[in-house]
Amino acid sequence: KQEVTQIPAALSVPEGENLVLNCSFTDSAIYNLQWFRQDPGKGLTSLLLIQSSQREQTSGRLNASLDKSSGRSTLYIAASQPGDSATYLCAVRDTDKLIFGTGTRLQVFP
Amino acid sequence: NAGVTQTPKFRILKIGQSMTLQCTQDMNHNYMYWYRQDPGMGLKLIYYSVGAGITDKGEVPNGYNVSRSTTEDFPLRLELAAPSQTSVYFCASSPSHGVPQHFGDGTRLSIL
Repeated sequence: KQEVTQIPAALSVPEGENLVLNCSFTDSAIYNLQWFRQDPGKGLTSLLLIQSSQREQTSGRLNASLDKSSGRSTLYIAASQPGDSATYLCAVRDTDKLIFGTGTRLQVFP
Repeated sequence: NAGVTQTPKFRILKIGQSMTLQCTQDMNHNYMYWYRQDPGMGLKLIYYSVGAGITDKGEVPNGYNVSRSTTEDFPLRLELAAPSQTSVYFCASSPSHGVPQHFGDGTRLSIL
């Protein structure tokens, strides 16, 4: 059974820092991996999607990498800003379902 | 650009009551999903649909039912509400499996 784990569970950093969020999964037979952002009281917003054949995707200050063989993905956020404060969730597509991690709650303080 | 719309936003139910959570999308997406999110946890798939008239169970379907009579609507029904169903429920849609899902803002449900 696919299990997705995110470390750390919470992170507090000063504005301007570069940071890395980690996601690991137990079964490497995935179709793709997605990173989402969730703001309090809101739904999820898709940030990046990496197909199983890809190694990384970039969008602005965000870069996500995927290493299927080791069952890991990282989300790199460059020059963090207070507006980046949110919960970040990763999810792997297992056949026709998304399996979510429990998220990393990020706080960026001025 | 409404996207995925969920109603109601909040609801309190008594044990044993029933209710329907509504979900509508205006993007003509074939795929629709219902998830629940418990505090401090990731989302778990309840049911999903790959098109009108087709539904299938996810990880945690017990206590729920769905129907998909149109492309736009995917209601989730709780027949006999139990305290364990207290959660935040999210509906999502996508045009296919390989692209990101669009999420609604959620329905916060408390069962007392």
